[in-house]
Amino acid sequence: AQSVAQPEDQVNVAEGNPLTVKCTYSVSGNPYLFWYVQYPNRGLQFLLKYITGDNLVKGSYGFEAEFNKSQTSFHLKKPSALVSDSALYFCAVRDINAGNMLTFGGGTRLMVKP
Amino acid sequence: DAGVTQSPTHLIKTRGQQVTLRCSPKSGHDTVSWYQQALGQGPQFIFQYYEEEERQRGNFPDRFSGHQFPNYSSELNVNALLLGDSALYLCASSLGTSSGTQYFGPGTRLTVL
Repeated sequence: AQSVAQPEDQVNVAEGNPLTVKCTYSVSGNPYLFWYVQYPNRGLQFLLKYITGDNLVKGSYGFEAEFNKSQTSFHLKKPSALVSDSALYFCAVRDINAGNMLTFGGGTRLMVKP
Repeated sequence: DAGVTQSPTHLIKTRGQQVTLRCSPKSGHDTVSWYQQALGQGPQFIFQYYEEEERQRGNFPDRFSGHQFPNYSSELNVNALLLGDSALYLCASSLGTSSGTQYFGPGTRLTVL
């Protein structure tokens, strides 16, 4: 079975500071990993994904994530946070040996203060 | 380029009733997946449709059923509604069933009273 853990319910950061939202995963095979963002009363917006290749993945709005196989982690990062980045962030994993379903973590609320 | 669209936006039903939710995939996509997002939780996979067939199913009872039409649009049906079915129902579309990224619609908020 595949699973995702987002250990922080909320992350607080000051505008202009770097941010990190943590994600660890568990799969039996090779993972595809995704980050999505959700604004209030909205669906999920795709940010970035790791399929294979370079461990550092760059995505939308200046976000990036680093795949670490030994630590089974896929942390989301941004060098300089904006107030508009405040939202709910979800990490998701797909086990390529288990079909196309995505398994999501519980979400991390990012609060960026001016 | 139209993204994923869902209807209706909001829906209120009473226990025991039946509901149908609709989804139109992003242009060029042929695969539709449905997820249930309870308040304060991450989305949970219900099932996926490709070539008008259910290809994969999550841990949901048979009260949850679906359909995909030749134009790739999809419906989610829930029978005998329970209070616990209250949630945001998200539709996601992708190209094929392999590594295609799933793009989500805005969701349908279902409230069961």
